[in-house]
Amino acid sequence: QQQVKQSPQSLIVQKGGISIINCAYENTAFDYFPWYQQFPGKGPALLIAIRPDVSEKKEGRFTISFNKSAKQFSLHIMDSQPGDSATYFCAAANSGGSNYKLTFGKGTLLTVNP
Amino acid sequence: DTGVSQDPRHKITKRGQNVTFRCDPISEHNRLYWYRQTLGQGPEFLTYFQNEAQLEKSRLLSDRFSAERPKGSFSTLEIQRTEQGDSAMYLCASSLQMNTEAFFGQGTRLTVV
Repeated sequence: QQQVKQSPQSLIVQKGGISIINCAYENTAFDYFPWYQQFPGKGPALLIAIRPDVSEKKEGRFTISFNKSAKQFSLHIMDSQPGDSATYFCAAANSGGSNYKLTFGKGTLLTVNP
Repeated sequence: DTGVSQDPRHKITKRGQNVTFRCDPISEHNRLYWYRQTLGQGPEFLTYFQNEAQLEKSRLLSDRFSAERPKGSFSTLEIQRTEQGDSAMYLCASSLQMNTEAFFGQGTRLTVV
C-alpha cells in the first residue's frame, strides 16, 4: 500500500518557469510533511516542511501548499534554475507517534533547461 | 563536517558475503534511522534507534539484517549472506528527540554481484 503518492514522475521546465510537484497521502495521522531534494549520488536534503495548521509556507523560491481536506500537498518552485535540477521527494510522518519515521513518495525528476 | 557521515560510500560484494556499514550521526542527535533506497524509488524505512535502543524494525528488515547502536553514538548495519536484491543505497539519518527534522547522510551504495 503506497501511503504517499507523488506526481508527476518527471518534469521538464524552462529556466525562470514554475515547477509544481503534487503529493497525496492516505493516513490521516500524518501531521508533518517535508520535501527533500536529492542530487545524484547524494543523500536527500530537507528543503521545506509544513504542518497541517497552515495552508501555505514559503521559503525563498520554494512554497508548500497544503489542503488538509483533500489530503494533498504540493511544492512550487518559482523562477526555476538549472541548479534546481534534481529529484524531489515528498514525505509524511506522524509526529504523535514514537519514532517520526518518514514515508516517502516515489520522487519527481526535475530538469530545468537553460 | 558536522553532518551525518556514512562509511563506506560504495561497496561491491559477491553474493553470499557479509557486509557492514557504519553511520555517525550528528553529535547529540539521539534518534538514528536507517532507510533503503532502490533506483527510481523513494527511501524506505528500515529501522530506528533512540539512543542505544532499537525501537522499531520494518518488515523489510529480514533476519539477515541486523543493526546496532552501541552507547547511543554511531550505528552499524550488517547484512549477512547478501543477495542481489540487497543492491541499493543505504541511507542513515539522525534527528533530535521531539524534532521531526531528519538529516540524511550521503548513503552507502551496495552492489551485490
